[in-house]
Amino acid sequence: EAQVTQNPRYLITVTGKKLTVTCSQNMNHEYMSWYRQDPGLGLRQIYYSMNVEVTDKGDVPEGYKVSRKEKRNFPLILESPSPNQTSLYFCASTDPGSPLHFGNGTRLTVT
Amino acid sequence: QKEVEQDPGPLSVPEGAIVSLNCTYSNSAFQYFMWYRQYSRKGPELLMYTYSSGNKEDGRFTAQVDKSSKYISLFIRDSQPSDSATYLCAMSGFTNTGNQFYFGTGTSLTVIP
Repeated sequence: EAQVTQNPRYLITVTGKKLTVTCSQNMNHEYMSWYRQDPGLGLRQIYYSMNVEVTDKGDVPEGYKVSRKEKRNFPLILESPSPNQTSLYFCASTDPGSPLHFGNGTRLTVT
Repeated sequence: QKEVEQDPGPLSVPEGAIVSLNCTYSNSAFQYFMWYRQYSRKGPELLMYTYSSGNKEDGRFTAQVDKSSKYISLFIRDSQPSDSATYLCAMSGFTNTGNQFYFGTGTSLTVIP
């Protein structure tokens, strides 16, 4: 089954404790992206990657890091999480001219 | 001005009603238009994907694009309680940074049995 898989689905952590949210897609897509979704603000892009070893900042990159060492994987790293990063995070992938396919989300709470 | 504007609702309709959801946009470079449905605690799921102006129908769903007015709509006929969800419009087009996507903030729909 074609899908984007994120892990974990739920994560509660404390301020400053580094964490990684994994994202993997099995559709051989070139483009991958991370979004956060907050009430009233909709989906906001954090980082995106056009292909392996190519990453770029989206609209809200501060406090996040990404890497794209393999085509299928695009992890999101929070080196020092803060409470304002409490949010619902989505990974998505696609090929040029096609719609985005989303994962089921990771709900992160930073206390 | 936001790239994409969408009325957040909430919208509440009786079962069987026709639902109309709308978005406006400002960038004439947008080429692809999408509607996603998002259930609580789930990721957005693609409902409709269109490229040109006009209508596209899929079962009870019809997507309409009017590029001259920069306006897109999603119509749901014979609405069902299972249609209760948040609906996101999305658009994409090629910019100097590649193909980027722009989303509305979503309209929350409740269909009452």
